Amino acid sequence: NAGVTQTPKFRILKIGQSMTLQCTQDMNHNYMYWYRQDPGMGLKLIYYSVGAGITDKGEVPNGYNVSRSTTEDFPLRLELAAPSQTSVYFCASSHRVQSGYTFGSGTRLTVV
Amino acid sequence: GQQVMQIPQYQHVQEGEDFTTYCNSSTTLSNIQWYKQRPGGHPVFLIQLVKSGEVKKQKRLTFQFGEAKKNSSLHITATQTTDVGTYFCAGFDYDRGSTLGRLYFGRGTQLTVWP
Repeated sequence: NAGVTQTPKFRILKIGQSMTLQCTQDMNHNYMYWYRQDPGMGLKLIYYSVGAGITDKGEVPNGYNVSRSTTEDFPLRLELAAPSQTSVYFCASSHRVQSGYTFGSGTRLTVV
Repeated sequence: GQQVMQIPQYQHVQEGEDFTTYCNSSTTLSNIQWYKQRPGGHPVFLIQLVKSGEVKKQKRLTFQFGEAKKNSSLHITATQTTDVGTYFCAGFDYDRGSTLGRLYFGRGTQLTVWP
């Protein structure tokens, strides 16, 4: 049982490049989330999804896009990368909206 | 808007000493959750508290939810080097005018334990 799997683990992007962070879960959870974590700043919600085909913005959505075509997958797209997007990105999922979250191991992204 | 404040930001203790981190919300919460993140790792769910005044224990860890469901604490008795990491509280609340709620994370308390 893999839980939440994120790829890649590390990535260096040049300013203006684009990339997709992959997230997949095998627990049949309806709820999925993308967070970014900056040192000393806790976790900030970027986007979330309550089921396939349904997504919504979180606290810091600018510069990102998501899609949810299946229950399992919730990719995060960065368009026109900027240095301010240097961060650690975590994907998470939960069985119910108020349940505890299962986090992936994260993607450490550096934009130079 | 909703805010979850957590203090202290850092705590350094000697092995065997106790440790407490506190969490306060600006609004009444539906539940509060606690997570642990080891250095270089990802947050791991520890526990969820739902009822007013609830107290739960996991070995040396004691979690409390305040009577007003606006504050919470995590207390570790006799810390060990394996307790090192950042402890996050996260309160569940509903967005204003919405039926959909979400977790609001505190900034975390980073615990260092000296052997």
